[in-house]
Amino acid sequence: GAGVSQSPSNKVTEKGKDVELRCDPISGHTALYWYRQSLGQGLEFLIYFQGNSAPDKSGLPSDRFSAERTGGSVSTLTIQRTQQEDSAVYLCASTGRATDTQYFGPGTRLTVL
Amino acid sequence: AQKITQTQPGMFVQEKEAVTLDCTYDTSDPSYGLFWYKQPSSGEMIFLIYQGSYDQQNATEGRYSLNFQKARKSANLVISASQLGDSAMYFCAMREDRSARQLTFGSGTQLTVLP
Repeated sequence: GAGVSQSPSNKVTEKGKDVELRCDPISGHTALYWYRQSLGQGLEFLIYFQGNSAPDKSGLPSDRFSAERTGGSVSTLTIQRTQQEDSAVYLCASTGRATDTQYFGPGTRLTVL
Repeated sequence: AQKITQTQPGMFVQEKEAVTLDCTYDTSDPSYGLFWYKQPSSGEMIFLIYQGSYDQQNATEGRYSLNFQKARKSANLVISASQLGDSAMYFCAMREDRSARQLTFGSGTQLTVLP
C-alpha cells in the first residue's frame, strides 16, 4: 500500500522479554519518527531518523529502548526487558522532502503482562 | 510549561452544526507549524490540516478550517456541517523548526456528534 505500515498490529509479551516493532514508511520519505501513546502520558516523541541516522534520541525513556533504520527505509524499535509501564500504542510516522506533514501508521499495541 | 494546550476534554455537537475545538500553543521559535489530527476509535492518526507560522491566510481543507491567531498563539479547528463520522479524538500538534522537527501534541478533545 501507499501508506505507513507497522507490524505487528498487536503484541502481548511477558515482563522481561524483548520485543521488536517494525515500521515501513511511505516510499521515498526520508524522515521517520517514533511516538508512544499511553493513557497516562498522552502522545510522546521517542526518536527521529533522517535517513539512517538518529540525530535526536532524547525522547527514548530508558536505555532499554533502542531503534535503528537501515537502507533509509524500514525502522525497528526494540524494547529490551519489557516492563508493564511499556504497555502502550507505538506509532510511527514519516515525512518527505516536499512536505512537513507527518503521516502516521496504524500503530502497534503492546501489552506487557 | 505546556507547549500545546487543549482545554476541552470533551465536546458535543449536533449533526450538521459547526463546532470549534480550541488549541493554544507556546513557543519562542519564530518558525513553526501547527497541525490537527483526528483519531477515531480504530486508532489511526489521520492528518486533517496544517498551518505554517508565516502563512498569511488561514488554512482550509474541505469542511475543516484553522482559525490562526498568531498574536494570541491560538490555532482553533473549525469543523463545519458536522457529520456522525466526525466523532473522534482530535489532537492539536506543533512542530518547532529549531528542534528535531518532531511533533508535540496536546492532550486531545473527544468530539461526539449527536444525531
